[in-house]
Amino acid sequence: NAGVMQNPRHLVRRRGQEARLRCSPMKGHSHVYWYRQLPEEGLKFMVYLQKENIIDESGMPKERFSAEFPKEGPSILRIQQVVRGDSAAYFCASSPTRDRGSSGNTIYFGEGSWLTVV
Amino acid sequence: KQEVTQIPAALSVPEGENLVLNCSFTDSAIYNLQWFRQDPGKGLTSLLLIQSSQREQTSGRLNASLDKSSGRSTLYIAASQPGDSATYLCAVREYGNKLVFGAGTILRVKS
Repeated sequence: NAGVMQNPRHLVRRRGQEARLRCSPMKGHSHVYWYRQLPEEGLKFMVYLQKENIIDESGMPKERFSAEFPKEGPSILRIQQVVRGDSAAYFCASSPTRDRGSSGNTIYFGEGSWLTVV
Repeated sequence: KQEVTQIPAALSVPEGENLVLNCSFTDSAIYNLQWFRQDPGKGLTSLLLIQSSQREQTSGRLNASLDKSSGRSTLYIAASQPGDSATYLCAVREYGNKLVFGAGTILRVKS
């Protein structure tokens, strides 16, 4: 059972370009979360999605950032017109649809996508 | 607003020592608490998860406790090894599935 898969692992973009980060959840998981880790800071929640629905986007910046989790295919975090402050590690996580007891409540993280804006 | 604090920010110990990492949170209305390990440039590995109704969880040399009423959790590592060197993150899961993370404790175990 493959874990949470993120790609690309590393991405370099020039200021003003667009960045697209992809996340495939673990098999059987339909809840996806995106977190951002800025240099020297902890992980901050960005958005929580289920298939075709945004459940909680309270951590998303108001402009330039968007996320989707379509019926088919991976979840996408899209950053338009990137700026240097967007340089960070972006982590995707997933969890099961139903509560399967103590282990089923675990949220599993991917290896992250490191975005560098030059 | 939930805030999670981890103490100490960094810790350096000789191999073989037992050690304790501390985590505190301001709002006791949590679903569970999870400890993670993060190696440099890598993702997060889940170590232990404690449900809000539980007091502790154990896995090998790791033991995590939870005192929900006082807003505290500890991660105990027995007989530390150089391979334990990493950043340890504490996160509380709020109702609504959001994880709120502490800033982490950077652990270095010297051989």
